[in-house]
Amino acid sequence: TQLLEQSPQFLSIQEGENLTVYCNSSSVFSSLQWYRQEPGEGPVLLVTVVTGGEVKKLKRLTFQFGDARKDSSLHITAAQPGDTGLYLCAGGAGGTSYGKLTFGQGTILTVHP
Amino acid sequence: NAGVMQNPRHLVRRRGQEARLRCSPMKGHSHVYWYRQLPEEGLKFMVYLQKENIIDESGMPKERFSAEFPKEGPSILRIQQVVRGDSAAYFCASSPSRGLPRLSGANVLTFGAGSRLTVL
Repeated sequence: TQLLEQSPQFLSIQEGENLTVYCNSSSVFSSLQWYRQEPGEGPVLLVTVVTGGEVKKLKRLTFQFGDARKDSSLHITAAQPGDTGLYLCAGGAGGTSYGKLTFGQGTILTVHP
Repeated sequence: NAGVMQNPRHLVRRRGQEARLRCSPMKGHSHVYWYRQLPEEGLKFMVYLQKENIIDESGMPKERFSAEFPKEGPSILRIQQVVRGDSAAYFCASSPSRGLPRLSGANVLTFGAGSRLTVL
């Protein structure tokens, strides 16, 4: 059984601070996705990384996939109150079941003005 | 271009009743996945269906739960004789194809807003 450990579980910071969320596993994943979920809504994809060592940037968000494809991180620079939400990492086994994902427990981020 | 539509958004059932959750995938998507999000837990895969076929039901509880995706109409997740432990948010996701080309990095999985089941 593949597991994804996400940390920290809760993060409360002030506007303008930087933060990093980690996603770790003992298993290799074909792809790693990061989602953001608002209360009462479904997860919305932020990024997909598929190559070991890959780094992707989305405005103030930087995503990295570990060289061995077992871990990933999400770094937010100069956090804003609008970044508040639940962040989820999800690993894909690949092959013929792309949508069968293993999700981490999530990180609840609160950015205070 | 409507996204993944789930209904009802909220459903209240008493213990022993049946719950039916419906999911209409995005236009052009023929692959549907159901996930369950229990309170204080992450999303857990339940079942993967294509039109008229169950491809992978490894995450489905062995009893009381069933899923279908008929040739016409939405996918349905059915829970018979609900118990309080079934209270959760149930999410459907759809994709246009079976596998992800490894190097494309393109997202093909879209989630619905979920159906929240409360069992009294």
